[in-house]
Amino acid sequence: NAGVTQTPKFQVLKTGQSMTLQCAQDMNHEYMSWYRQDPGMGLRLIHYSVGAGITDQGEVPNGYNVSRSTTEDFPLRLLSAAPSQTSVYFCASTTEGTGANVLTFGAGSRLTVL
Amino acid sequence: DAKTTQPTSMDCAEGRAANLPCNHSTISGNEYVYWYRQIHSQGPQYIIHGLKNNETNEMASLIITEDRKSSTLILPHATLRDTAVYYCIVRPGGAGNNRKLIWGLGTSLAVNP
Repeated sequence: NAGVTQTPKFQVLKTGQSMTLQCAQDMNHEYMSWYRQDPGMGLRLIHYSVGAGITDQGEVPNGYNVSRSTTEDFPLRLLSAAPSQTSVYFCASTTEGTGANVLTFGAGSRLTVL
Repeated sequence: DAKTTQPTSMDCAEGRAANLPCNHSTISGNEYVYWYRQIHSQGPQYIIHGLKNNETNEMASLIITEDRKSSTLILPHATLRDTAVYYCIVRPGGAGNNRKLIWGLGTSLAVNP
């Protein structure tokens, strides 16, 4: 099983450029989410989705867009990159029921904005 | 609001048990305790979770105090590969609560040869 796959692993952008971080999962999970991780801070939720066609904002959504057209994919778009968006980004997924709801994380995408 | 408190760092000798404490004094009756770890800069990895009973799996044991205000993650025979940051998180049970996880800075465990 591939689990949660993120691409790219590394990316360097110039200020103002746009890009999309890809996230795909093959576990038929309803819930998918994007986190960012910065030095000295815990993981912070950017956006999440509880199913195809449904997205919502997390703790730090500004500057990011998401969409969920399929159960499997949850891309994160940076519309106009800023140096403050330099971070490591993690996609995570799980079930959305009453079970254990264990999050499965991708390997991360390290983004540098110059 | 941080819902859990963990020591910043801990050391453990290889082959010995690593006992990682977590304080969650404001835990509610329907909140589970979850433990994850993050090795280097990889994505966090699930270890174990529990509600009020002690739990054990192939990776670790989780001991929850009777009042549920604290817990301890036990790695019975730590290896160098267990060097990681360990996160203790509380999460309400039931649907719709995945977005409510609060990730602190965890405990950085160093397993020494």
